[in-house]
Amino acid sequence: DSGVTQTPKHLITATGQRVTLRCSPRSGDLSVYWYQQSLDQGLQFLIQYYNGEERAKGNILERFSAQQFPDLHSELNLSSLELGDSALYFCASSAPGQGHNEQFFGPGTRLTVL
Amino acid sequence: AQKVTQAQTEISVVEKEDVTLDCVYETRDTTYYLFWYKQPPSGELVFLIRRNSFDEQNEISGRYSWNFQKSTSSFNFTITASQVVDSAVYFCALKASTGTASKLTFGTGTRLQVTL
Repeated sequence: DSGVTQTPKHLITATGQRVTLRCSPRSGDLSVYWYQQSLDQGLQFLIQYYNGEERAKGNILERFSAQQFPDLHSELNLSSLELGDSALYFCASSAPGQGHNEQFFGPGTRLTVL
Repeated sequence: AQKVTQAQTEISVVEKEDVTLDCVYETRDTTYYLFWYKQPPSGELVFLIRRNSFDEQNEISGRYSWNFQKSTSSFNFTITASQVVDSAVYFCALKASTGTASKLTFGTGTRLQVTL
């Protein structure tokens, strides 16, 4: 158990809908990262937050947004869902420091868009 | 731009065989960090090791060992005396030190199947 929690574990929804994925980092970690794992794109970085502020952005679609709250949990919002958004979404966290600490991943949320 | 290549898509071995998973990386940064993660069938990503670019010492942890060679931009992972529980997808990842962003660039993974 990495100490990173994600809810829900599975999510099935329809095209055009909006969903919210939730992540709680390990105790003491200030950085939260979101990654998407799909068969065609592999593991891709979406976005990073550090202590409530956006720190880096990857190939995140405009239909996707995220935030990190004062209690450090994070939410990833996916809207106007398309079939191609079906994927495993991971949240990771890392200890504060020099930025090269290992990232510990949550169990993931498997999103299925029908 | 950074890139990680894991040329072996899938490897099958019989239990107790040794197996090496290859990882080749590209980066223009002089300081960078390399990682290996394991993704078992249950789906979670498990951290295995981090290596700094300025530390070329090889590392051994039980049946696992890692060989880091800057000259060939490789960071290979060897499992000695493989076991069925080693069956998983293994990912190599790279993080550059530029700026404060800490995103990982992953390879496409190598699926290891260990059979009896």
